[in-house]
Amino acid sequence: KAGVTQTPRYLIKTRGQQVTLSCSPISGHRSVSWYQQTPGQGLQFLFEYFSETQRNKGNFPGRFSGRQFSNSRSEMNVSTLELGDSALYLCASSLDTAKNTEAFFGQGTRLTVV
Amino acid sequence: GNSVTQMEGPVTLSEEAFLTINCTYTATGYPSLFWYVQYPGEGLQLLLKATKADDKGSNKGFEATYRKETTSFHLEKGSVQVSDSAVYFCATETSGSRLTFGEGTQLTVNP
Repeated sequence: KAGVTQTPRYLIKTRGQQVTLSCSPISGHRSVSWYQQTPGQGLQFLFEYFSETQRNKGNFPGRFSGRQFSNSRSEMNVSTLELGDSALYLCASSLDTAKNTEAFFGQGTRLTVV
Repeated sequence: GNSVTQMEGPVTLSEEAFLTINCTYTATGYPSLFWYVQYPGEGLQLLLKATKADDKGSNKGFEATYRKETTSFHLEKGSVQVSDSAVYFCATETSGSRLTFGEGTQLTVNP
């Protein structure tokens, strides 16, 4: 069974640009969460989508947004990029049932803003 | 909300040494607890989990017991290998599938 797939693996963008990252969850998983990982702040939760609806949102500015499609694939978008947005962005999917909330992570997208 | 505190790192050990990485949590109720491992340049992999008090999670020689009395979930391994060198994260579920992570502990095992 295929794991969580994130594309692209690496990105270099210029300040002020926008970027879209993609995540394909494990087949059958309906919950997709996004995390930002930086050396200074560690792993921080961005948002979670379940059945195309945002269910949870972390403490990030409105420049960070996301969506989920009917096939559970998810995208996140960052507009007006800042140098501080340079990070590893991780996507996780889960079955999200009462008995199983285990999250499976993709390899991440490394975003560098110059 | 829930929070997790890990021991400060980094940790450097010789091969075959005993490993303990401390993790304590604060939470409402009894959420599931997890240990994730991250190898260089990779995403996170679930190492083990425990879903209720007194549960012991184990995998690849690593163990952790869910202790509600001490609100702890310490990671242990009796004999580490060079291949165990990685960053280890303790985590708790917060709401839905949202996870709250500790700061991470860098483990280096020298031959």
